[in-house]
Amino acid sequence: SAVISQKPSRDICQRGTSLTIQCQVDSQVTMMFWYRQQPGQSLTLIATANQGSEATYESGFVIDKFPISRPNLTFSTLTVSNLSPEDSSIYLCSVEIRMIPYEQYFGPGTRLTVT
Amino acid sequence: SQQGEEDPQALSIQEGENATMNCSYKTSINNLQWYRQNSGRGLVHLILIRSNEREKHSGRLRVTLDTSKKSSSLLITASRAADTASYFCATDARLKSGGSNYKLTFGKGTLLTVNP
Repeated sequence: SAVISQKPSRDICQRGTSLTIQCQVDSQVTMMFWYRQQPGQSLTLIATANQGSEATYESGFVIDKFPISRPNLTFSTLTVSNLSPEDSSIYLCSVEIRMIPYEQYFGPGTRLTVT
Repeated sequence: SQQGEEDPQALSIQEGENATMNCSYKTSINNLQWYRQNSGRGLVHLILIRSNEREKHSGRLRVTLDTSKKSSSLLITASRAADTASYFCATDARLKSGGSNYKLTFGKGTLLTVNP
């Protein structure tokens, strides 16, 4: 398994501003994922981040709104830009553990409230 | 189309009873996983069952998989108040043949409440 931490754990932001969420893993991993969980809903994959390459975004998510960095094998950031109340969600990062069968392990999440 | 639809959406039981949650999906899968989420926090991986397996046990958890019906069930036996959480199934599908790229698709989840 892996120990994953996220910062901040929660934040309240004003509309029009941006929030950058950090995800730190205690071991080197190839694949990192960012998910959004809107209130009372399930998880939706935003993008997949490989170290050293551009993130791959899912349908409905664009780089301008959700820029992602992946500078090394243990760290990634997700920025949620130009915030609106609809962005109020829990944002979670996860990592792929490279063993058979593949499993994903999740960070504790960042609860974002936009006012 | 939506993968991993759980039912029921909510389940309330008494401590000591068994809880069964079901998950259905629409396309072929490699594996199916169950996760638990306590009160809007991070997800905890519970168990993974491969597409060629029919049943798997882990402690008080029992998972079944019926690929012909595209469905899975999670049984928690002798439930405890601490089992109160949302439970999600997630299906994966490889994006590239022979590669490691895949994505998980989560169902809507079942909110389980175990009353002491």
